[in-house]
Amino acid sequence: QKEVEQNSGPLSVPEGAIASLNCTYSDRVSQSFFWYRQYSGKSPELIMSIYSNGDKEDGRFTAQLNKASQYVSLLIRDSQPSDSATYLCAVTGAEYGNKLVFGAGTILRVKS
Amino acid sequence: ETGVTQTPRHLVMGMTNKKSLKCEQHLGHNAMYWYKQSAKKPLELMFVYSLEERVENNSVPSRFSPECPNSSHLFLHLHTLQPEDSALYLCASSRGLAGGGDVETQYFGPGTRLLVL
Repeated sequence: QKEVEQNSGPLSVPEGAIASLNCTYSDRVSQSFFWYRQYSGKSPELIMSIYSNGDKEDGRFTAQLNKASQYVSLLIRDSQPSDSATYLCAVTGAEYGNKLVFGAGTILRVKS
Repeated sequence: ETGVTQTPRHLVMGMTNKKSLKCEQHLGHNAMYWYKQSAKKPLELMFVYSLEERVENNSVPSRFSPECPNSSHLFLHLHTLQPEDSALYLCASSRGLAGGGDVETQYFGPGTRLLVL
């Protein structure tokens, strides 16, 4: 069974700090990687996608991909209380049957 | 309307009822999905449609019956559900099924919160 694993948290950070969320995956040939944010009672919202090794930045968010080590991370700079949510990592690739496989999510709490 | 819409947003039904969930995407996508999200569990993929053809049925009980009349609409017909079927049902769409990059990026509707009594 191919898996996507995340620490369930909660991860607590003070307002203004950097929040670091990590995700590991088991399929060595995974191709596409996504981070979704889900507020309580709401549907997942796409934050970032990344397809090649290295960093990808979008505003306060940076996605980091290391295919050799099979992990993808999301950094949130200058964390705000409004960033408090569950962050879902999702991975797709041929060995997942080209399906998007989700991790269980990490709960992030930003304290003001 | 834009994006992915779902109706109803909330649904309470008895175990003997028949109801349907509706999803509509306004993004010009070719693939649509049904997911189930129970409390404290990962998203569970239920069904996948590509160009109105079902390409994935993830061992879902027959009391859930999907229908995709065209590439913009997706239904989930419900009958004789069980209390354990209570969950958030999410619809999503993507440009395609595979091919890497943005083709596979899925966009979600707001979901239907279902309670089975």
